[in-house]
Amino acid sequence: EPEVTQTPSHQVTQMGQEVILRCVPISNHLYFYWYRQILGQKVEFLVSFYNNEISEKSEIFDDQFSVERPDGSNFTLKIRSTKLEDSAMYFCASSEAMGATEAFFGQGTRLTVV
Amino acid sequence: AQSVTQLGSHVSVSEGALVLLRCNYSSSVPPYLFWYVQYPNQGLQLLLKYTTGATLVKGINGFEAEFKKSETSFHLTKPSAHMSDAAEYFCAVSYNQGGKLIFGQGTELSVKP
Repeated sequence: EPEVTQTPSHQVTQMGQEVILRCVPISNHLYFYWYRQILGQKVEFLVSFYNNEISEKSEIFDDQFSVERPDGSNFTLKIRSTKLEDSAMYFCASSEAMGATEAFFGQGTRLTVV
Repeated sequence: AQSVTQLGSHVSVSEGALVLLRCNYSSSVPPYLFWYVQYPNQGLQLLLKYTTGATLVKGINGFEAEFKKSETSFHLTKPSAHMSDAAEYFCAVSYNQGGKLIFGQGTELSVKP
């Protein structure tokens, strides 16, 4: 069964360092998303990506964040200069189409900023 | 602002008992509605969804949910809980504005033997 895969499963980084979280969406999907979940809080939308550009982003997704689909299969989230409050579980998701179609989620990357 | 509220961050039931997890959304426009489940150390898995048509939707693992527009609710039920149902359950909505999901805060379901 096709699935979304994320690497690494855990990432520990020092404050101020850059991190790249990687995702491989399902191959025939066209829409890609990043969400995050700070421990004990809601799953929050960060950004959606379609046709090689951002289609929507939340207020959380500031200039420290960027996304890229570098090679047609991977979908990455970069945090340029990590802060303590960036510590969270980051989920990648993909879907065939927007709206009603099911979004498939990866297992998440737990980012810890120390 | 559009929001989703799940009543009860923790729900505990006995094995074989009815499971009822509550979800309400705040919007005058009916959204698309979803329930996701998260087992420990795993990603979010879709249980069921409501888009259009029949308001009672059936999902995997014996779960079902009913969309009630008048109550702006989409409560999740299962007639008989199983130990394997222990997990975190998330209600989410989408307004087809870009596909983003707005999640509730989650309900952790415990099942006692």
